Amino acid sequence: NAGVTQTPKFRVLKTGQSMTLLCAQDMNHEYMYWYRQDPGMGLRLIHYSVGEGTTAKGEVPDGYNVSRLKKQNFLLGLESAAPSQTSVYFCASSYWQAEHTDTQYFGPGTRLTVL
Amino acid sequence: KQEVTQIPAALSVPEGENLVLNCSFTDSAIYNLQWFRQDPGKGLTSLLLIQSSQREQTSGRLNASLDKSSGRSTLYIAASQPGDSATYLCAVRVVDSSYKLIFGSGTRLLVRP
Repeated sequence: NAGVTQTPKFRVLKTGQSMTLLCAQDMNHEYMYWYRQDPGMGLRLIHYSVGEGTTAKGEVPDGYNVSRLKKQNFLLGLESAAPSQTSVYFCASSYWQAEHTDTQYFGPGTRLTVL
Repeated sequence: KQEVTQIPAALSVPEGENLVLNCSFTDSAIYNLQWFRQDPGKGLTSLLLIQSSQREQTSGRLNASLDKSSGRSTLYIAASQPGDSATYLCAVRVVDSSYKLIFGSGTRLLVRP
């Protein structure tokens, strides 16, 4: 199993440009998450999905959109990038369990710089 | 609103010392608490996961405890080594429809040879 993979690993954008980050998991997980991590801070949740075709807002959703057309993929879009979106983006996934006792599995991250 | 705090923010110790990292959270309604390790420029590696009904978990030189009633967890590292140098993050899994993780800001550990 590849686990959780993210594409691309690095990207530099100019202010106002758009892009899509792709997250893929091969573990048949129901739940998928997008987090961002800024220097000296923990991870903050942007958006999440509890199953194919569903998405919901997290703590810091402004400026981002997401889609979950297939169970294994979770896309994060920036329609008009801003310097404040310079960050490292992590995708995670987990099983659905009655007690949610399982861990979340994280991808390697995408380092995005917006000039 | 759940908040997670980690103290200290940074720690530098000589090799061989035993050390304790602290994590506190404001809402005791959690499914579990997890400790992660993050190396510079890398992703997160799960170290230990403690279910809300458990008091501690051990893996090798690592021991994590959980006191849900007081909203505290500690990560104990025995006989520290330079290879332990990394940032350590704790996170709680919240009891709501998202089941998301709320992270602390981490403790940056340096173990000096």
